[in-house]
Amino acid sequence: QVQLQESGPGLVKPSETLSLTCSVSDNSINIGHYWGWIRQPPGKGLEWIGSIYHGGSTDYNPSLKSRVTISVDTSQNEISLNLTSVTAADTAVYFCARRRGGWYQGVYYYYYLDVWGKGTTVTVSS
Amino acid sequence: QSALTQPASVSGSPGQSITISCTGTSSDVGGYNFVSWYLQHPGKAPKLMIYDVTKRPSGVSDRFSGSKSGNTASLTVSGLQSEDEGDYYCSSYTSSSTLVFGGGTKLTVL
Repeated sequence: QVQLQESGPGLVKPSETLSLTCSVSDNSINIGHYWGWIRQPPGKGLEWIGSIYHGGSTDYNPSLKSRVTISVDTSQNEISLNLTSVTAADTAVYFCARRRGGWYQGVYYYYYLDVWGKGTTVTVSS
Repeated sequence: QSALTQPASVSGSPGQSITISCTGTSSDVGGYNFVSWYLQHPGKAPKLMIYDVTKRPSGVSDRFSGSKSGNTASLTVSGLQSEDEGDYYCSSYTSSSTLVFGGGTKLTVL
């Protein structure tokens, strides 16, 4: 079973850029899955950030799209998240997850998250 | 995209059944049979419980079942056990090719 591990600074100053990495334990990053980022503010629910295919195509939550960049390094089996101009509202546990799916009427859709990392806590504070 | 609507909390006694609803729009829940459910215990990562509206991953008890009607999906947990307690989140594929989550429902086993 593939394992995911998030890493990055636990403290980021307001207006700066939050940068996180998700390490994938095996070479499945090259097989054809999407890889996503999700966050959870303290005491609140899950929020979809976005995802990336191993070939580089991405999708982002419209509410975060202007500040988010997700990239993939297949040689390092890593997915990265950059979130610019952070504020206290970006304080959260950040999870990475594998996004999988299935065929429907000749199209492959990616629509569920079957493997999750344990998450990493990021606090935005001066 | 707006979060899907779930009740904040539900509760039940051991052995009973509970149902959690998840309401969206024709652009997400109602437009696709791509609803999934996750269980999150405190301090842990979410765990996939249901996908494709009704399917269970290997290892998930058959006490968990899913359904959908129109813009509302539902998760039923039968034969409640103490380990079922936690926060449940629904999720749906959207017409923008993104995913959207519900606000979460806290299940308490009395």
